Amino acid sequence: AQSVTQLGSHVSVSEGALVLLRCNYSSSVPPYLFWYVQYPNQGLQLLLKYTSAATLVKGINGFEAEFKKSETSFHLTKPSAHMSDAAEYFCAVSEKNFGNEKLTFGTGTRLTIIP
Amino acid sequence: DAGITQSPRHKVTETGTPVTLRCHQTENHRYMYWYRQDPGHGLRLIHYSYGVKDTDKGEVSDGYSVSRSKTEDFLLTLESATSSQTSVYFCAISVGSSYEQYFGPGTRLTVT
Repeated sequence: AQSVTQLGSHVSVSEGALVLLRCNYSSSVPPYLFWYVQYPNQGLQLLLKYTSAATLVKGINGFEAEFKKSETSFHLTKPSAHMSDAAEYFCAVSEKNFGNEKLTFGTGTRLTIIP
Repeated sequence: DAGITQSPRHKVTETGTPVTLRCHQTENHRYMYWYRQDPGHGLRLIHYSYGVKDTDKGEVSDGYSVSRSKTEDFLLTLESATSSQTSVYFCAISVGSSYEQYFGPGTRLTVT
């Protein structure tokens, strides 16, 4: 069974500082991995995805994530935080099994940006 | 914009009453999903559908039923609402071969 662990339910960083949101996954087969962002009172928006091509994946708004199989990790980073990055971020995993088109989500990390 | 709408967007109802939430998509995607979002739990899958009249349970399906009589509509029904079903409900569709999902704007349901 697939699962996702997001370390840190709340992360605060200063404006202009590095953003690092951690995600570890468990999967019995090679996974697809995703990061979603949710702004207040909105639905989830796809930030980026890993589908077994390049291990370093670039997404929208300057975010990127690196797939590390040996560490079963898919951490999200952004070099310089902006006030508009304040939101909740969710990591998700899907296994590449035909007929199993389901995502399993982590519990989320709320990112606060300090002016 | 994945062309997903949810109705109603907000609803307050009393314990024991039936409630139906509607998800509508405009692009004829095969897979549709219903999730609930609660603080500390992230998103949890309630039910999903892989075609007209084809549905299956997710991890938190107790107390919920679904129906899909047309490709574009996926209905979630709470037969007898309870306070524990107070939540924000999201509908999603699956797109492409990598199973990425796109979400609707959500329905905030309060059961008093």
